[in-house]
Amino acid sequence: NAGVMQNPRHLVRRRGQEARLRCSPMKGHSHVYWYRQLPEEGLKFMVYLQKENIIDESGMPKERFSAEFPKEGPSILRIQQVVRGDSAAYFCASSPPSGPNTGELFFGEGSRLTVL
Amino acid sequence: AQSVSQHNHHVILSEAASLELGCNYSYGGTVNLFWYVQYPGQHLQLLLKYFSGDPLVKGIKGFEAEFIKSKFSFNLRKPSVQWSDTAEYFCAVKGTGGFKTIFGAGTRLFVKA
Repeated sequence: NAGVMQNPRHLVRRRGQEARLRCSPMKGHSHVYWYRQLPEEGLKFMVYLQKENIIDESGMPKERFSAEFPKEGPSILRIQQVVRGDSAAYFCASSPPSGPNTGELFFGEGSRLTVL
Repeated sequence: AQSVSQHNHHVILSEAASLELGCNYSYGGTVNLFWYVQYPGQHLQLLLKYFSGDPLVKGIKGFEAEFIKSKFSFNLRKPSVQWSDTAEYFCAVKGTGGFKTIFGAGTRLFVKA
């Protein structure tokens, strides 16, 4: 299965620790998007990246959150000094080269972060 | 700014009942429209999409949606639901002026067998 791969699927952290979520896009896709899903709130856009570039980070909290998509390897969403409010499902999506124009996304299964 | 509104957060139907889930969006220009479905424990999957042309689009599993430009709506319909349609449904919009696909809050559908 060459779909969007996310890991870990479940992550538990204590307040103040760091969380790293990884996403490998579908084969042939070079655009990665991160969304956060909170209960009853749907998916909230966080950031859009291409290889080695952040294109749109308008949905990222100003502090503690960062994202990267290096030339080699998966995209990483990093949350420093986690707080209980960071507990959520984080979804990664990828799109083919035409994706940014059409908006059609292919999703991974998500990473569920629980902060104790 | 773009926004998407889904009218119902929870819907309960019996099998064979008809389904219509409402979706309205706010955006001043041309849009691409989507419905995604998330079955329990699974990732979001594309149900159907509208880019241009016939405003009545057909998707997988007997679903269809109608784009009504004057109402800024893209409602999802299915004539007869099955128990296996139990899932969460998300309406999404992407304006041609940006990169973001914006999602509604989702509608949880439960179909009673």
